[in-house]
Amino acid sequence: GAGVSQSPSNKVTEKGKDVELRCDPISGHTALYWYRQSLGQGLEFLIYFQGNSAPDKSGLPSDRFSAERTGGSVSTLTIQRTQQEDSAVYLCASSPLRGWFQETQYFGPGTRLLVL
Amino acid sequence: GENVEQHPSTLSVQEGDSAVIKCTYSDSASNYFPWYKQELGKRPQLIIDIRSNVGEKKDQRIAVTLNKTAKHFSLHITETQPEDSAVYFCAAYAGGTSYGKLTFGQGTILTVHP
Repeated sequence: GAGVSQSPSNKVTEKGKDVELRCDPISGHTALYWYRQSLGQGLEFLIYFQGNSAPDKSGLPSDRFSAERTGGSVSTLTIQRTQQEDSAVYLCASSPLRGWFQETQYFGPGTRLLVL
Repeated sequence: GENVEQHPSTLSVQEGDSAVIKCTYSDSASNYFPWYKQELGKRPQLIIDIRSNVGEKKDQRIAVTLNKTAKHFSLHITETQPEDSAVYFCAAYAGGTSYGKLTFGQGTILTVHP
């Protein structure tokens, strides 16, 4: 079946502009995650949605970052007033996550963001 | 919260040799440990995982071992091939207050020389 998809695949923006990144999870997956990966670095957790529960925003680096998940499916990560240090690959992942039993997270291809 | 340390950060081997990557975790409640492979410019993909009720799991040339007492787990790749070259990430899941969240290691860059 279809995997996790993200758009755009690449985004170049000017410092100070707002950007929106989109994630379409695997159909039926209740959990959705956003990560940031800077060049040559590991996976930095940003935010996590699970069903209708309040999202876990503990990884968001500043109040310029926000995310929504509409109807328990598509998610949008918004970065306001972008800074050069926001340049990175933004990865989305989804998981079935049933009960306490952790399931595999499936990653999307990422959005490469470059802030000039 | 959970903390995962991964070593080494880089690993260079000759084709045909074995490669071992080690991770330690801090939360004794952790019960799920996946390993992801990320090729250059690609998405991370699960290659193997292990749950806390077993000590070892194998899948062809790759294996993962878990020592719950010492709180560490390792990835073993035998008969390495150039296409094994990638960044490998370990992760741990503790549940509880970290419900649903994986904590990732910093990654190991594996280079297999022909």
